[in-house]
Amino acid sequence: RKEVEQDPGPFNVPEGATVAFNCTYSNSASQSFFWYRQDCRKEPKLLMSVYSSGNEDGRFTAQLNRASQYISLLIRDSKLSDSATYLCVVNTATGFQKLVFGTGTRLLVSP
Amino acid sequence: EAQVTQNPRYLITVTGKKLTVTCSQNMNHEYMSWYRQDPGLGLRQIYYSMNVEVTDKGDVPEGYKVSRKEKRNFPLILESPSPNQTSLYFCASSLLQGINEKLFFGSGTQLSVL
Repeated sequence: RKEVEQDPGPFNVPEGATVAFNCTYSNSASQSFFWYRQDCRKEPKLLMSVYSSGNEDGRFTAQLNRASQYISLLIRDSKLSDSATYLCVVNTATGFQKLVFGTGTRLLVSP
Repeated sequence: EAQVTQNPRYLITVTGKKLTVTCSQNMNHEYMSWYRQDPGLGLRQIYYSMNVEVTDKGDVPEGYKVSRKEKRNFPLILESPSPNQTSLYFCASSLLQGINEKLFFGSGTQLSVL
């Protein structure tokens, strides 16, 4: 079983739609969680951290479910510019940085 | 502008010809790292460095070397490249090695080894 698993997609949605991605992780001791965005063959960029209580940044909402060991990303009112690959990233170590990257979920938003 | 600068952006070479990919950051970050990205595998860590003269292996270090003689620079060296090292490489840095640190990535180096 992979340490971090994501549905590769692609998710094809029309502009204005709401779309959600899930990501599961296997190490129950994982301490911190992130969503990074990656445009085609470019560098990943931090979209948002994921906090235990859930957090929101504009149209983006991230949630963590420790009991079921998954995190989610919800995008409301999708824009064409949201088309990208979304990487789930989990820090699997205790007290220091040891990041494990998911393979990403591709989102395509069409007019 | 705060950034991680990686060069070259594209590189085509032949098996066995030593090469170096440079990485430099201007944010005074202590932590630097190299990743490779392959289809279906996600980003995998090659080497990392917690500070000057302190480096350690990541998950896929075979065939690679690194050095950290100055805080800002963290070059990746392939002494004898092989075709299985054809990949997209990213250098990254963060202020510290804490669990909640944001990673800043360079723009990537697409390496092809023939």
